[in-house]
Amino acid sequence: NAGVMQNPRHLVRRRGQEARLRCSPMKGHSHVYWYRQLPEEGLKFMVYLQKENIIDESGMPKERFSAEFPKEGPSILRIQQVVRGDSAAYFCASSPGGPIKNTEAFFGQGTRLTVV
Amino acid sequence: AQSVTQLGSHVSVSEGALVLLRCNYSSSVPPYLFWYVQYPNQGLQLLLKYTSAATLVKGINGFEAEFKKSETSFHLTKPSAHMSDAAEYFCAVSETGTGGFKTIFGAGTRLFVKA
Repeated sequence: NAGVMQNPRHLVRRRGQEARLRCSPMKGHSHVYWYRQLPEEGLKFMVYLQKENIIDESGMPKERFSAEFPKEGPSILRIQQVVRGDSAAYFCASSPGGPIKNTEAFFGQGTRLTVV
Repeated sequence: AQSVTQLGSHVSVSEGALVLLRCNYSSSVPPYLFWYVQYPNQGLQLLLKYTSAATLVKGINGFEAEFKKSETSFHLTKPSAHMSDAAEYFCAVSETGTGGFKTIFGAGTRLFVKA
């Protein structure tokens, strides 16, 4: 059973370009979470999605950032018109979800975005 | 809302010494608490979790944590540090949100192990 798969592992974008980060959850997991880790900082929650639904996006910046988790395919975190401050590690996690709140989230290896 | 506070952004111990990483939480309901470890350029790996069963929780790599409700703490310990324990450690709490649960992380504690 493969773990949470994120790609690419490293992404370099010039200011103003778009960045697309992909996350395939573990098999059988229907809940996906995105976190951002700035250098020397902890993980900040961005968004929580279930298939085809955004459940909680309270941590998402209001502009330029969007996320989706379609019925088929991976979850996508999209950053438009990137700026240098977007440089960070972006982690995806997945869980089976449902009413079992003691289920931990399983994390991917992260995508390290560098904006030049 | 629930929250997590990790005391000390950096902790340094000698190899063989006790490791103590502090975590306090705030929650109005019985919490579900976790410790994760992150090695350089890696994702997060679960060390252990508290799910309202035993208050002393044993995890991987010799780590354990004790849930103390009266102190709202969930400190992580290891009797004898090893060089390979050098990493970043995150305490986390499971928070109820609309339709499900999300994990809220502390700011992290970086553990240094000296030879």
